[in-house]
Amino acid sequence: QQQVRQSPQSLTVWEGETAILNCSYENSAFDYFPWYQQFPGEGPALLISILSVSDKKEDGRFTIFFNKREKKLSLHIADSQPGDSATYFCAASDTGGLSGKLTFGEGTQVTVIS
Amino acid sequence: EAAVTQSPRNKVTVTGGNVTLSCRQTNSHNYMYWYRQDTGHGLRLIHYSYGAGNLQIGDVPDGYKATRTTQEDFFLLLELASPSQTSLYFCASSDWGKDTQYFGPGTRLLVL
Repeated sequence: QQQVRQSPQSLTVWEGETAILNCSYENSAFDYFPWYQQFPGEGPALLISILSVSDKKEDGRFTIFFNKREKKLSLHIADSQPGDSATYFCAASDTGGLSGKLTFGEGTQVTVIS
Repeated sequence: EAAVTQSPRNKVTVTGGNVTLSCRQTNSHNYMYWYRQDTGHGLRLIHYSYGAGNLQIGDVPDGYKATRTTQEDFFLLLELASPSQTSLYFCASSDWGKDTQYFGPGTRLLVL
């Protein structure tokens, strides 16, 4: 079963708008949540991450909001640019173990129209 | 910046064929991972390794073997390839288990 779920599957926004990507998880042991960005023909690359002790993490135009009680998080892309068009993966890990295993969601494909 | 390379970039084989996918990282990372990426499933972990000679089973290991020959090199083996193994395969490495994973460019495999 999918332990990390993302919605929507795809999202189209106008340049300058805020794109909101949603993620939920089932395993209460997950405490580290990275978001990876993937462009066509490339491997995913870390964009931004958050630990479960925080409820918000900002990095430029990218912000993660985290709700531990509801096991939900979201990625907000402010002032979206055409260069942000990519697939975004929410992932989760239990840092109590040493494996570094990441469980990924299905991904959200974002298209920014200028 | 971490460098992870994969070869081949594209591979076509027939059902029952043998395939070896190669991954090399040049940053002395301890951890290496093999994922497959399929639409609707995201990335799923096949096997991973803590170091040379070590192998750990991932979440979707059936039909796959892996071997870590050196700290730099991690191989994924499909000994009897099936059409269900048609996918995009990614290798990744990290310095330690709680660190950022750096991904290679991927290998697209088609099993006819």
